[in-house]
Amino acid sequence: DVKVTQSSRYLVKRTGEKVFLECVQDMDHENMFWYRQDPGLGLRLIYFSYDVKMKEKGDIPEGYSVSREKKERFSLILESASTNQTSMYLCASSDMRGALVDTQYFGPGTRLTVL
Amino acid sequence: GQQLNQSPQSMFIQEGEDVSMNCTSSSIFNTWLWYKQEPGEGPVLLIALYKAGELTSNGRLTAQFGITRKDSFLNISASIPSDVGIYFCAGLRTGANSKLTFGKGITLSVRP
Repeated sequence: DVKVTQSSRYLVKRTGEKVFLECVQDMDHENMFWYRQDPGLGLRLIYFSYDVKMKEKGDIPEGYSVSREKKERFSLILESASTNQTSMYLCASSDMRGALVDTQYFGPGTRLTVL
Repeated sequence: GQQLNQSPQSMFIQEGEDVSMNCTSSSIFNTWLWYKQEPGEGPVLLIALYKAGELTSNGRLTAQFGITRKDSFLNISASIPSDVGIYFCAGLRTGANSKLTFGKGITLSVRP
């Protein structure tokens, strides 16, 4: 079974703090993704990565950065946390099916509250 | 980005009933996925559909990839209380760098 783990289930930070959210997958997947989930807005893609040291912006990258130094690990960084970044953050990974991106598998999520 | 259409936002059914959920788009997708999310957890993949017209079952769940490639449905038969959760559809287009497009989800409640 695919396993995607996230470093924290719940996190409380203060405005202006630098926040690191870590995600690890154990299936040697090529692709990793970070989403945030908010009521009424569904899942929105922040950043994704198709290879080590590679990153691409998703739909809402502002205020975030990412790092992928190793294939199994994808980190989301909030350089200076703000209250509007309070949200549920979901990491996902997927393999390639031939030349195509395959099904995404999600981690359990990190509920971040910024005070 | 574009979202898939799922409605209604919430559904309330009696235990033992069957329920059907639809997901539609104005664009064509090459893969349709159905996920379930329980409170405080990440989405869990239920069924993946890769071919137009494909009908796939997973226990009491059945999903179909629409012939037009613009829709998919999920059926849950003989619902039980643990079926409660948010059901998301997601679509994927051809391309090595393609991204998932999600519906906003349907919250299912099951009355015992």
